[in-house]
Amino acid sequence: DGGITQSPKYLFRKEGQNVTLSCEQNLNHDAMYWYRQDPGQGLRLIYYSQIVNDFQKGDIAEGYSVSREKKESFPLTVTSAQKNPTAFYLCASSTSTGSDSPLHFGNGTRLTVT
Amino acid sequence: SQQGEEDPQALSIQEGENATMNCSYKTSINNLQWYRQNSGRGLVHLILIRSNEREKHSGRLRVTLDTSKKSSSLLITASRAADTASYFCATEGAAGNKLTFGGGTRVLVKP
Repeated sequence: DGGITQSPKYLFRKEGQNVTLSCEQNLNHDAMYWYRQDPGQGLRLIYYSQIVNDFQKGDIAEGYSVSREKKESFPLTVTSAQKNPTAFYLCASSTSTGSDSPLHFGNGTRLTVT
Repeated sequence: SQQGEEDPQALSIQEGENATMNCSYKTSINNLQWYRQNSGRGLVHLILIRSNEREKHSGRLRVTLDTSKKSSSLLITASRAADTASYFCATEGAAGNKLTFGGGTRVLVKP
């Protein structure tokens, strides 16, 4: 089955540690995205990538980093510089970054930093 | 700031009733999308309506778009317990082509 896989589902880290969230897709989509969701709120865009080896900052990129070495993979690193890292992180992909391309989402990673 | 804002924030109805939620946005758009999110899961795309369309149907879903009022509505007819979820509208961000999401409407359908 085609889809997006995020792992792990739950992640716990101590403050000051970097942590990397995995996102893999087998939909052959060019564009991939990372969103952050806080309780009772909508999604905020962290980073997106339109093509391999290229990525752009979203609205809340500070304290995060990404890479896009393969079309299928778009890992997100939450660094110690991120002030409030505890959140639900969602990865998505689409055929392009055009606004008429529906997003396909993974089932998220819930990160808790204490 | 968010481009789209849903209203109401929460909605509770009985199974079989209709559920209506609204989305308002600020700048001109080419299209608007609606998504559903079950608790603790990713979002699922429901429907896309283009700026030159006024109404679109998909099964028990009906979406309208009024570009003069910069608003859209999502109607779920004959609701079921399985429709319990949060519903989000998404539009292009102010910068151009990336989608931005509203805060969502939480719908509870009671059996």
